[in-house]
Amino acid sequence: AQSVAQPEDQVNVAEGNPLTVKCTYSVSGNPYLFWYVQYPNRGLQFLLKYITGDNLVKGSYGFEAEFNKSQTSFHLKKPSALVSDSALYFCAVRPYGNNRLAFGKGNQVVVIP
Amino acid sequence: DAMVIQNPRYQVTQFGKPVTLSCSQTLNHNVMYWYQQKSSQAPKLLFHYYDKDFNNEADTPDNFQSRRPNTSFCFLDIRSPGLGDAAMYLCATSSFPGRVMDEQFFGPGTRLTVL
Repeated sequence: AQSVAQPEDQVNVAEGNPLTVKCTYSVSGNPYLFWYVQYPNRGLQFLLKYITGDNLVKGSYGFEAEFNKSQTSFHLKKPSALVSDSALYFCAVRPYGNNRLAFGKGNQVVVIP
Repeated sequence: DAMVIQNPRYQVTQFGKPVTLSCSQTLNHNVMYWYQQKSSQAPKLLFHYYDKDFNNEADTPDNFQSRRPNTSFCFLDIRSPGLGDAAMYLCATSSFPGRVMDEQFFGPGTRLTVL
């Protein structure tokens, strides 16, 4: 069975500083990896995904993520955080041939002005 | 714009009183999902439809049912809501499962309160 670990509960970062949200995964076969963001009382919004190819994936709003197969990680990064990036971030994995996403528990990101 | 729409956004019901949540999509996606999400936790998959094929998760209580009358609409029925069913309910869609790399598109959610 697939699983995702997001080890930190909350990530605090000063506005303008780099932001990193960590994610490690466990899945049989090739992983399809996703990052979603959720603002209060809203649904999940897709940020980016890794399917195959270049390990560095660029997504919406200046976010990027790096796939590391040896470390089974898919950390989300943004070079310069904005206050508006404060939200709940979910990492998710889906193995090939499966409709189901396995979500991590989520990380609350707080960007301090 | 193509999207996933959920109605109502906020629903209040009484303990034990049946309630129906609605989801519609203009993406023409084959797969529709219902998730339950409690207080900043990860979404929990309740069930999903691949076209008309219903797929229930093993740990979804019998209290939760779903209907998909056509491609565009999907309903979540809670037959006898308990206090523990108060949550955000998220509907999501994805395209034909052969294209398994496609992401899921989420609606804004319905927040259910049980009094």
